[in-house]
Amino acid sequence: NAGVMQNPRHLVRRRGQEARLRCSPMKGHSHVYWYRQLPEEGLKFMVYLQKENIIDESGMPKERFSAEFPKEGPSILRIQQVVRGDSAAYFCASSRDGNEQFFGPGTRLTVL
Amino acid sequence: GQQLNQSPQSMFIQEGEDVSMNCTSSSIFNTWLWYKQDPGEGPVLLIALYKAGELTSNGRLTAQFGITRKDSFLNISASIPSDVGIYFCAGRISGTYKYIFGTGTRLKVLA
Repeated sequence: NAGVMQNPRHLVRRRGQEARLRCSPMKGHSHVYWYRQLPEEGLKFMVYLQKENIIDESGMPKERFSAEFPKEGPSILRIQQVVRGDSAAYFCASSRDGNEQFFGPGTRLTVL
Repeated sequence: GQQLNQSPQSMFIQEGEDVSMNCTSSSIFNTWLWYKQDPGEGPVLLIALYKAGELTSNGRLTAQFGITRKDSFLNISASIPSDVGIYFCAGRISGTYKYIFGTGTRLKVLA
């Protein structure tokens, strides 16, 4: 049973470009969470989605950031017009029922 | 907003010693999760707690859900070098599916 998959593992973008991060949850999991982590810090909640619905996006900036979890395919975290402050590790976690969360390996975004 | 205070921030211990770390908050949580994160990797789930007062073990790890539902602790017995890493607690806010993470405890084990 494959774990949570994220790609790419590393992403380099120039300021102003778009970053698209993908997350495939574990089989049978319909809850997806996105977190952001800066070096030497904890994980900060961004958004919680179930299939085709955003349940809680209280941790996600209102400008430039968006997330989706379509009926088919992976969940996508999209950052438009990236700035240097967006550089961080972005982690996705999935859950079967909203209780235990299992994390992917993360995408490390570097904005030049 | 809700905050989780995790302590200690970091600790150096000798191999074979026991370790204890805890998380406290002013908010009430209905689930506690404990994770370990190695450099460059995602957090790995160690223990999940669902009831106030619950005490759960996973090998050398033991965690408890505080009776007030505002705190939790994690103990590691007889530490070994591979216990090195960052340990995070996460509390699920009552009535939601949202988790708040602690700031982490950085553990270094001296052989």
